[in-house]
Amino acid sequence: EPEVTQTPSHQVTQMGQEVILRCVPISNHLYFYWYRQILGQKVEFLVSFYNNEISEKSEIFDDQFSVERPDGSNFTLKIRSTKLEDSAMYFCASSAVVLGGYTFGSGTRLTVV
Amino acid sequence: KNEVEQSPQNLTAQEGEFITINCSYSVGISALHWLQQHPGGGIVSLFMLSSGKKKHGRLIATINIQEKHSSLHITASHPRDSAVYICARSYNTDKLIFGTGTRLQVFP
Repeated sequence: EPEVTQTPSHQVTQMGQEVILRCVPISNHLYFYWYRQILGQKVEFLVSFYNNEISEKSEIFDDQFSVERPDGSNFTLKIRSTKLEDSAMYFCASSAVVLGGYTFGSGTRLTVV
Repeated sequence: KNEVEQSPQNLTAQEGEFITINCSYSVGISALHWLQQHPGGGIVSLFMLSSGKKKHGRLIATINIQEKHSSLHITASHPRDSAVYICARSYNTDKLIFGTGTRLQVFP
């Protein structure tokens, strides 16, 4: 069964450093998403991406965050200058159609120290 | 105000029991999703529904649009069903608004 692949599974970074979280969505999917889950809290929407541009973003997704689809297969989330409160599990998801079913990756646990 | 409310927050059951998890939402939906989150953190999509009922194996999801309520049922529960079950809604856009989840433990 097709999978969404996320790397790394766990990343530890120092506060103020830049991190890039990587995702390989399912190959024929067109809609891509990042969500995050702070430990003990519910999953929150960050950003949706279609046709090489952001289609929607949440208040969390400020200027420190950016997304990119650099090569037609990878979908990346960059945090420019990490804060302690960015520590969370970050999930990538993809969908073939808008308002369709999602496939989630297994997540990247980001720890900012 | 959380737009998606789930109950119960925690649920324990004996193997074989019939389980019901409830989800209520306060605004309209385009679709209601049920997802399963394993102890390792990964999320698996179980159902997406906008009306009626769907069944997959021992799992059944129902939705009542008028009452803004959905239920997830597990028949003949098994310890491997132990996980967090989450409902989430989408409305007009494709972003999901998640509930806080129901932690289910099934004991042998």
